[in-house]
Amino acid sequence: SQKIEQNSEALNIQEGKTATLTCNYTNYSPAYLQWYRQDPGRGPVFLLLIRENEKEKRKERLKVTFDTTLKQSLFHITASQPADSATYLCALRNTGFQKLVFGTGTRLLVSP
Amino acid sequence: GAVVSQHPSRVICKSGTSVKIECRSLDFQATTMFWYRQFPKQSLMLMATSNEGSKATYEQGVEKDKFLINHASLTLSTLTVTSAHPEDSSFYICSASEDLNTEAFFGQGTRLTVV
Repeated sequence: SQKIEQNSEALNIQEGKTATLTCNYTNYSPAYLQWYRQDPGRGPVFLLLIRENEKEKRKERLKVTFDTTLKQSLFHITASQPADSATYLCALRNTGFQKLVFGTGTRLLVSP
Repeated sequence: GAVVSQHPSRVICKSGTSVKIECRSLDFQATTMFWYRQFPKQSLMLMATSNEGSKATYEQGVEKDKFLINHASLTLSTLTVTSAHPEDSSFYICSASEDLNTEAFFGQGTRLTVV
């Protein structure tokens, strides 16, 4: 069956450290993978998109890697801040399909 | 970035009534829009894909007669929850993309409470 798995347990880190979140997928052939941030009671906000032919993408303190052999994407936030506390969702669109499917999400808590 | 506006943000309705939720793409045309449902502390579950000018495609297990979707223009899709029951209480979110190969933009979400 098709699955997109993220660590369901909350990730607690100290301010200033690097947070690393994992997204693993099974039985998908995504053309690209996306990462979103969601705050409670709000819709997701787009952060980064990485295509299948890209190994790494950066945007300010954010970095995403995509390994199609391992079927995994890693999302890094460097120099984390309490304001980075939120739920982070990975999502992918299977090649040839319209719909965007989301992973289970990981809650990140950055303490001062 | 592009903006997707969803309205209302909150609605409380009586059991048995219908509720309409609107999703608008404000600065781009969206041939396709998506409707999601999210339960507390869970991820987004796709309900249906809304295509302008044609019938929506529903995910398995989603009742099309219960959740009516209309995508009458390139900037507006509506979701109507018909004969609402307390178990329909949830957070409903729409999304749209300028292009299916780029990022999706999401509405603010609608918190539906059926009493």
